[in-house]
Amino acid sequence: EDQVTQSPEALRLQEGESSSLNCSYTVSGLRGLFWYRQDPGKGPEFLFTLYSAGEEKEKERLKATLTKKESFLHITAPKPEDSATYLCAVQASGSARQLTFGSGTQLTVLP
Amino acid sequence: NAGVTQTPKFRVLKTGQSMTLLCAQDMNHEYMYWYRQDPGMGLRLIHYSVGEGTTAKGEVPDGYNVSRLKKQNFLLGLESAAPSQTSVYFCASSYGQEQFFGPGTRLTVL
Repeated sequence: EDQVTQSPEALRLQEGESSSLNCSYTVSGLRGLFWYRQDPGKGPEFLFTLYSAGEEKEKERLKATLTKKESFLHITAPKPEDSATYLCAVQASGSARQLTFGSGTQLTVLP
Repeated sequence: NAGVTQTPKFRVLKTGQSMTLLCAQDMNHEYMYWYRQDPGMGLRLIHYSVGEGTTAKGEVPDGYNVSRLKKQNFLLGLESAAPSQTSVYFCASSYGQEQFFGPGTRLTVL
Protein backbone atom coordinates (compact mmCIF):
# COMPACT_ATOMS: atom_id res chain seq x y z
CA GLU A 1 0.00 0.00 0.00
CA ASP A 2 1.32 3.42 -0.95
CA GLN A 3 2.02 5.73 1.97
CA VAL A 4 3.07 9.35 2.34
CA THR A 5 4.17 10.93 5.63
CA GLN A 6 4.84 14.64 5.96
CA SER A 7 6.72 16.39 8.72
CA PRO A 8 6.48 18.56 10.63
CA GLU A 9 2.69 18.88 10.92
CA ALA A 10 3.06 22.60 11.54
CA LEU A 11 5.94 25.05 11.19
CA ARG A 12 6.20 28.67 12.24
CA LEU A 13 8.97 30.78 10.74
CA GLN A 14 10.01 34.38 10.96
CA GLU A 15 10.09 36.23 7.66
CA GLY A 16 13.44 35.51 6.03
CA GLU A 17 14.09 32.36 8.10
CA SER A 18 14.78 29.53 5.65
CA SER A 19 13.68 25.95 6.38
CA SER A 20 12.67 22.63 4.81
CA LEU A 21 9.55 20.48 4.78
CA ASN A 22 9.89 16.71 4.56
CA CYS A 23 7.84 14.14 2.64
CA SER A 24 8.69 10.47 3.18
CA TYR A 25 7.05 7.93 0.91
CA THR A 26 6.69 4.25 0.13
CA VAL A 27 5.24 3.33 -3.24
CA SER A 28 5.22 0.33 -5.54
CA GLY A 29 7.14 2.02 -8.32
CA LEU A 30 7.16 5.81 -8.41
CA ARG A 31 5.67 7.47 -11.46
CA GLY A 32 5.82 10.93 -9.94
CA LEU A 33 5.93 12.92 -6.70
CA PHE A 34 3.85 16.06 -6.52
CA TRP A 35 3.87 19.15 -4.33
CA TYR A 36 0.76 21.27 -3.91
CA ARG A 37 0.00 24.45 -1.99
CA GLN A 38 -3.39 24.85 -0.30
CA ASP A 39 -4.70 28.12 1.09
CA PRO A 40 -7.52 28.08 3.67
CA GLY A 41 -10.91 27.45 2.10
CA LYS A 42 -9.44 26.72 -1.34
CA GLY A 43 -8.46 23.74 -3.44
CA PRO A 44 -4.86 22.55 -3.76
CA GLU A 45 -2.74 24.44 -6.28
CA PHE A 46 -0.10 22.52 -8.23
CA LEU A 47 3.54 23.47 -7.58
CA PHE A 48 5.95 20.77 -8.81
CA THR A 49 6.27 17.27 -10.21
CA LEU A 50 9.46 15.24 -9.60
CA TYR A 51 10.03 12.00 -11.47
CA SER A 52 13.36 10.51 -10.43
CA ALA A 53 15.90 10.59 -7.61
CA GLY A 54 18.28 13.51 -7.87
CA GLU A 55 15.81 15.73 -9.66
CA GLU A 56 15.31 19.30 -8.43
CA LYS A 57 12.80 21.99 -9.38
CA GLU A 58 12.55 25.63 -8.35
CA LYS A 59 9.87 28.27 -8.34
CA GLU A 60 10.53 31.64 -6.73
CA ARG A 61 11.48 30.93 -3.08
CA LEU A 62 10.62 27.22 -3.30
CA LYS A 63 12.89 24.36 -4.29
CA ALA A 64 11.82 20.72 -4.35
CA THR A 65 14.24 17.80 -4.29
CA LEU A 66 13.76 14.04 -4.53
CA THR A 67 15.58 10.94 -3.26
CA LYS A 68 14.49 7.32 -3.44
CA LYS A 69 12.72 7.56 -0.08
CA GLU A 70 11.82 11.20 0.48
CA SER A 71 11.34 14.65 -0.94
CA PHE A 72 12.15 18.02 0.56
CA LEU A 73 10.53 21.36 -0.08
CA HIS A 74 13.09 24.02 0.74
CA ILE A 75 11.79 27.52 1.43
CA THR A 76 14.40 30.25 1.14
CA ALA A 77 13.84 33.62 2.82
CA PRO A 78 10.08 33.08 3.15
CA LYS A 79 7.54 35.88 3.16
CA PRO A 80 4.16 36.02 4.95
CA GLU A 81 2.41 35.28 1.64
CA ASP A 82 4.11 31.86 1.64
CA SER A 83 1.90 30.89 4.57
CA ALA A 84 -0.23 27.92 3.50
CA THR A 85 -0.53 24.17 3.87
CA TYR A 86 1.89 22.29 1.64
CA LEU A 87 0.76 18.88 0.44
CA CYS A 88 2.89 16.06 -0.93
CA ALA A 89 1.46 13.26 -3.06
CA VAL A 90 2.76 10.23 -4.96
CA GLN A 91 1.55 8.52 -8.08
CA ALA A 92 2.38 4.86 -8.54
CA SER A 93 3.37 3.19 -11.77
CA GLY A 94 0.48 1.26 -13.25
CA SER A 95 -2.13 3.39 -11.52
CA ALA A 96 -4.76 5.35 -13.41
CA ARG A 97 -2.95 8.48 -12.28
CA GLN A 98 -4.45 8.34 -8.79
CA LEU A 99 -2.62 10.35 -6.14
CA THR A 100 -1.90 9.28 -2.56
CA PHE A 101 -1.59 12.35 -0.38
CA GLY A 102 0.16 13.09 2.87
CA SER A 103 -1.66 15.04 5.56
CA GLY A 104 0.30 18.21 4.86
CA THR A 105 2.53 20.72 6.64
CA GLN A 106 0.87 23.93 7.79
CA LEU A 107 3.41 26.74 7.32
CA THR A 108 3.02 30.10 9.01
CA VAL A 109 5.47 32.89 8.19
CA LEU A 110 5.41 35.74 10.66
CA PRO A 111 6.28 39.29 9.58
CA ASN B 1 -11.14 29.41 -18.78
CA ALA B 2 -12.98 28.74 -15.54
CA GLY B 3 -10.90 25.59 -14.89
CA VAL B 4 -12.60 23.23 -12.46
CA THR B 5 -15.82 24.42 -10.84
CA GLN B 6 -17.90 22.75 -8.13
CA THR B 7 -21.54 23.18 -7.15
CA PRO B 8 -22.67 23.84 -4.45
CA LYS B 9 -20.02 25.51 -2.27
CA PHE B 10 -21.75 24.64 1.00
CA ARG B 11 -24.51 22.25 1.99
CA VAL B 12 -26.12 21.00 5.19
CA LEU B 13 -28.00 17.70 5.11
CA LYS B 14 -29.89 15.65 7.62
CA THR B 15 -28.99 12.00 8.11
CA GLY B 16 -30.65 9.90 5.42
CA GLN B 17 -31.09 12.69 2.88
CA SER B 18 -29.60 12.42 -0.57
CA MET B 19 -27.74 14.91 -2.72
CA THR B 20 -25.54 15.27 -5.80
CA LEU B 21 -22.35 17.28 -6.06
CA LEU B 22 -21.50 18.58 -9.52
CA CYS B 23 -18.02 19.03 -10.92
CA ALA B 24 -17.42 20.69 -14.27
CA GLN B 25 -14.18 21.32 -16.18
CA ASP B 26 -13.61 23.28 -19.36
CA MET B 27 -10.08 22.05 -20.12
CA ASN B 28 -11.13 18.99 -22.14
CA HIS B 29 -9.41 16.70 -19.63
CA GLU B 30 -9.98 12.96 -19.89
CA TYR B 31 -9.38 12.12 -16.23
CA MET B 32 -11.54 13.33 -13.35
CA TYR B 33 -11.43 12.56 -9.63
CA TRP B 34 -13.41 13.03 -6.42
CA TYR B 35 -11.56 13.38 -3.10
CA ARG B 36 -12.61 14.07 0.43
CA GLN B 37 -10.46 16.00 2.89
CA ASP B 38 -10.76 15.51 6.63
CA PRO B 39 -8.65 17.14 9.35
CA GLY B 40 -5.35 15.34 9.88
CA MET B 41 -6.05 12.75 7.17
CA GLY B 42 -5.15 14.49 3.94
CA LEU B 43 -7.03 14.01 0.71
CA ARG B 44 -8.47 10.55 0.05
CA LEU B 45 -9.69 9.37 -3.33
CA ILE B 46 -13.38 8.39 -3.48
CA HIS B 47 -13.97 7.58 -7.17
CA TYR B 48 -12.33 8.49 -10.44
CA SER B 49 -12.99 8.39 -14.16
CA VAL B 50 -10.57 7.83 -17.02
CA GLY B 51 -13.00 9.01 -19.67
CA GLU B 52 -16.61 9.69 -20.58
CA GLY B 53 -18.86 6.83 -19.55
CA THR B 54 -16.27 5.17 -17.28
CA THR B 55 -15.91 5.23 -13.49
CA ALA B 56 -13.85 3.31 -10.93
CA LYS B 57 -13.55 3.03 -7.16
CA GLY B 58 -10.86 4.77 -5.20
CA GLU B 59 -9.69 4.33 -1.62
CA VAL B 60 -12.95 5.24 0.17
CA PRO B 61 -15.91 4.57 -2.18
CA ASP B 62 -18.52 3.21 0.27
CA GLY B 63 -21.66 5.35 0.52
CA TYR B 64 -20.95 7.23 -2.72
CA ASN B 65 -21.84 6.78 -6.37
CA VAL B 66 -20.60 8.65 -9.42
CA SER B 67 -21.50 9.21 -13.05
CA ARG B 68 -19.63 10.63 -16.03
CA LEU B 69 -22.22 10.99 -18.77
CA LYS B 70 -20.44 13.94 -20.38
CA LYS B 71 -16.69 14.44 -20.63
CA GLN B 72 -16.80 17.79 -18.90
CA ASN B 73 -18.95 16.74 -15.92
CA PHE B 74 -18.38 14.33 -13.03
CA LEU B 75 -21.19 13.88 -10.51
CA LEU B 76 -20.83 12.55 -6.98
CA GLY B 77 -23.96 11.22 -5.29
CA LEU B 78 -24.79 10.43 -1.71
CA GLU B 79 -27.89 8.24 -1.59
CA SER B 80 -28.38 8.26 2.18
CA ALA B 81 -26.11 10.72 3.93
CA ALA B 82 -24.43 9.81 7.22
CA PRO B 83 -22.62 12.05 9.75
CA SER B 84 -19.36 10.28 8.80
CA GLN B 85 -19.69 11.89 5.38
CA THR B 86 -19.26 15.36 6.85
CA SER B 87 -16.18 16.59 5.01
CA VAL B 88 -14.82 18.91 2.35
CA TYR B 89 -15.12 17.40 -1.12
CA PHE B 90 -12.73 18.28 -3.92
CA CYS B 91 -12.99 17.48 -7.57
CA ALA B 92 -9.92 17.38 -9.81
CA SER B 93 -9.19 16.82 -13.46
CA SER B 94 -6.06 15.98 -15.45
CA TYR B 95 -4.75 15.49 -18.96
CA GLY B 96 -1.14 14.70 -18.11
CA GLN B 97 -0.02 13.69 -14.65
CA GLU B 98 -0.72 16.98 -12.89
CA GLN B 99 -4.18 17.26 -11.37
CA PHE B 100 -6.06 20.56 -11.19
CA PHE B 101 -8.46 21.01 -8.33
CA GLY B 102 -11.74 22.81 -7.87
CA PRO B 103 -12.53 25.11 -4.91
CA GLY B 104 -14.32 22.43 -2.88
CA THR B 105 -17.75 21.75 -1.38
CA ARG B 106 -18.14 21.85 2.38
CA LEU B 107 -20.77 19.30 3.40
CA THR B 108 -22.19 18.90 6.89
CA VAL B 109 -24.44 15.97 7.73
CA LEU B 110 -26.44 16.39 10.95
